Amino acid sequence: NAGVTQTPKFQVLKTGQSMTLQCAQDMNHEYMSWYRQDPGMGLRLIHYSVGAGITDQGEVPNGYNVSRSTTEDFPLRLLSAAPSQTSVYFCASSSLRREAFFGQGTRLTVV
Amino acid sequence: DAKTTQPNSMESNEEEPVHLPCNHSTISGTDYIHWYRQLPSQGPEYVIHGLTSNVNNRMASLAIAEDRKSSTLILHRATLRDAAVYYCILRTGTASKLTFGTGTRLQVTL
Repeated sequence: NAGVTQTPKFQVLKTGQSMTLQCAQDMNHEYMSWYRQDPGMGLRLIHYSVGAGITDQGEVPNGYNVSRSTTEDFPLRLLSAAPSQTSVYFCASSSLRREAFFGQGTRLTVV
Repeated sequence: DAKTTQPNSMESNEEEPVHLPCNHSTISGTDYIHWYRQLPSQGPEYVIHGLTSNVNNRMASLAIAEDRKSSTLILHRATLRDAAVYYCILRTGTASKLTFGTGTRLQVTL
């Protein structure tokens, strides 16, 4: 049972490049979400999904897109990376109303 | 989402109990009190949650005030591996979103 798997662990992008952060879970959880964590701060919700085909915006959605075509996968797309998107990104999954499980994070630097 | 207030940092000696407080004066009747912790360079991990009654599990205990306006996470014997940022979060019963504050950074010393 792998839990929540995020790839890559580290990434450096140039301003304007695009990329996709991958998140997969093998616990058949309905709910998945993406957070970003800036230095010295708590996590902020970017986008979330309550099931396949359903996504919604969180607190800081601008500059990010998501889709949920399967229960297992919830990729996060950066369309045109900006230095302000330098952060650590965490994916989480849970059954509704139950505790959340987090991935190990993706450390992204935009130069 | 209702707001929580926690001290920025706390210190403890190893093998001693630690009481981490959290104030949530605007809590509603359907809000569950959740605690997560984040070890250095890792994602958050679930610790414990409760609604009205005190709760115990293998990691910690959660003491909830009778008026539910505050709660305390209790680590019975702190170890160096418990050094982390501890987040107190209110989660509405039907929702799965977590709203993180800045948490309490716990330092454990020998």
